[in-house]
Amino acid sequence: DAKTTQPPSMDCAEGRAANLPCNHSTISGNEYVYWYRQIHSQGPQYIIHGLKNNETNEMASLIITEDRKSSTLILPHATLRDTAVYYCIVRVAEGNNRLAFGKGNQVVVIP
Amino acid sequence: DGGITQSPKYLFRKEGQNVTLSCEQNLNHDAMYWYRQDPGQGLRLIYYSQIVNDFQKGDIAEGYSVSREKKESFPLTVTSAQKNPTAFYLCASRDLAPYSGANVLTFGAGSRLTVL
Repeated sequence: DAKTTQPPSMDCAEGRAANLPCNHSTISGNEYVYWYRQIHSQGPQYIIHGLKNNETNEMASLIITEDRKSSTLILPHATLRDTAVYYCIVRVAEGNNRLAFGKGNQVVVIP
Repeated sequence: DGGITQSPKYLFRKEGQNVTLSCEQNLNHDAMYWYRQDPGQGLRLIYYSQIVNDFQKGDIAEGYSVSREKKESFPLTVTSAQKNPTAFYLCASRDLAPYSGANVLTFGAGSRLTVL
């Protein structure tokens, strides 16, 4: 599976858009980009995923570069409840059960 | 409400004792997983199961055992052979049907085990 690189931590201002970067320069053609987040002492929660087109749902937007080597998760109006560890994962859509989560990006939303 | 229920939420055990963590899902998902998380670390895969009565070792299976007698249940036993069992344990499930959500995992709330 392609490896991803995220900053270990970042701060965001409450009410502003939070842009979370992820590099995945070795991504292959059939691999999707997935984002999850984990609020302290809870289980991770799925946010969004995409292949090559930009995606948006009620939680966030996912922007994938044209060469697919990087992506950005956008939280449009960050709230204090968005403080969490965010995981960017690159995987094929089906099969392959070894779904691995690295250390992620600790995002702190500041009032 | 569909979801995954893990119990107990907190568990204390003495060294040398086995302990079983429960994981039940009512999502009708085929695959179930157990992960371990240590402070400040990512998630590491212990065991997974794609079908009843079948399961495979993950990356850190030593000292753990599982069973999958029912589709909705995937209990994890932490045995006395696990040398450093204090951790946060997470259970997850996934629907394996094609085009069902493209690899999306649903997680439980976790069980925190402390060995005294």
